Amino acid sequence: NAGVTQTPKFQVLKTGQSMTLQCAQDMNHNSMYWYRQDPGMGLRLIYYSASEGTTDKGEVPNGYNVSRLNKREFSLRLESAAPSQTSVYFCASSLGQGYNEQFFGPGTRLTVL
Amino acid sequence: GEDVEQSLFLSVREGDSSVINCTYTDSSSTYLYWYKQEPGAGLQLLTYIFSNMDMKQDQRLTVLLNKKDKHLSLRIADTQTGDSAIYFCAERGNYQLIWGAGTKLIIKP
Repeated sequence: NAGVTQTPKFQVLKTGQSMTLQCAQDMNHNSMYWYRQDPGMGLRLIYYSASEGTTDKGEVPNGYNVSRLNKREFSLRLESAAPSQTSVYFCASSLGQGYNEQFFGPGTRLTVL
Repeated sequence: GEDVEQSLFLSVREGDSSVINCTYTDSSSTYLYWYKQEPGAGLQLLTYIFSNMDMKQDQRLTVLLNKKDKHLSLRIADTQTGDSAIYFCAERGNYQLIWGAGTKLIIKP
């Protein structure tokens, strides 16, 4: 039981490049989330998926797209990376939106030059 | 709008108690949470409290909730080096958790 896994762990991009961050969970959770963490700002929700087949914008969705590929997998895509997207990205999952505990992956540290 | 505020740093001596404070704005929040983030890792739920409770205790952890002042605190008794981490306060919003910026707990020997 791996919990929430994310790939890659580290990535360096040049401005304008694209990439996809992968996330998978093996806990049969319905809801999945993408956050970014910046120093002194806590976690900000980018997108979430309340259940398979649905996705919704969070607090800071601009510049990102997501795909809920199936119940297990939720990917985050940066189409044209910008230096302002340098951050640590966390994927999380929960049994449902009404449940207390979100389980987090180890994070992806992204640098955009 | 909804907002959660915390101090960014707290420094305590090993063996002392640590008290991490948090204020929130949404008086209708039903649940408030404390998450812990160890270096290089994701966040883990430490404890949570339902809004109709004033206090919750779990081993070395005590959570106090003052709804009138919208103030939440986390007390860690007998602080150990393994408690070094960033502690996040969060409240349940309409469709998501609203997060504080995190308090980095620094343990002095």
